[in-house]
Amino acid sequence: DTGVSQDPRHKITKRGQNVTFRCDPISEHNRLYWYRQTLGQGPEFLTYFQNEAQLEKSRLLSDRFSAERPKGSFSTLEIQRTEQGDSAMYLCASSLDWVTDTQYFGPGTRLTVL
Amino acid sequence: AQSVTQLGSHVSVSEGALVLLRCNYSSSVPPYLFWYVQYPNQGLQLLLKYTSAATLVKGINGFEAEFKKSETSFHLTKPSAHMSDAAEYFCAVSDQTGANNLFFGTGTRLTVIP
Repeated sequence: DTGVSQDPRHKITKRGQNVTFRCDPISEHNRLYWYRQTLGQGPEFLTYFQNEAQLEKSRLLSDRFSAERPKGSFSTLEIQRTEQGDSAMYLCASSLDWVTDTQYFGPGTRLTVL
Repeated sequence: AQSVTQLGSHVSVSEGALVLLRCNYSSSVPPYLFWYVQYPNQGLQLLLKYTSAATLVKGINGFEAEFKKSETSFHLTKPSAHMSDAAEYFCAVSDQTGANNLFFGTGTRLTVIP
């Protein structure tokens, strides 16, 4: 078990560009979450997958954001036409099935939009 | 709706002194509560969780927390601080719906003074 991994760890982009992040959850974890963390704040929920199905999205997830989890394994989060307000740490977490199961977090992808 | 409030964005203690980090919650259902620790440029690591079993929960690295329903609190303690405990600590409550996403507090930065 190698834990949750995320790639890249850091991304610097210019405003208006598109970016894509990848998350590889712990194997056999059915649930996958994306959170966003801005400076001085706790993580905020963005979206959630149960296997390959995206079952919930936060109001924070504007139409410029899209997430996928093909085949129920890794997930990607894409931001189109990035804005400076998108600068944040994007965290991925995975867990088993029960509500009591622990969410294990990856190291995050830090996005800086210039 | 679920939320947590962490009192004190910064806490400083001397090495060997008691650590007390405060968390109060609001929940429309019996809560599941969590404490996570975040070291610089890293993801979140679970310290401990309360899921309606024993009210005194023991976690990793000598930390523990007590669930007090009457006070709607879940404060984190450690009898003797180590230099390695310096980090950001987040309290979280889950919504226990299908998504079971976590609602985090704004965090408390712990500084340990040698």
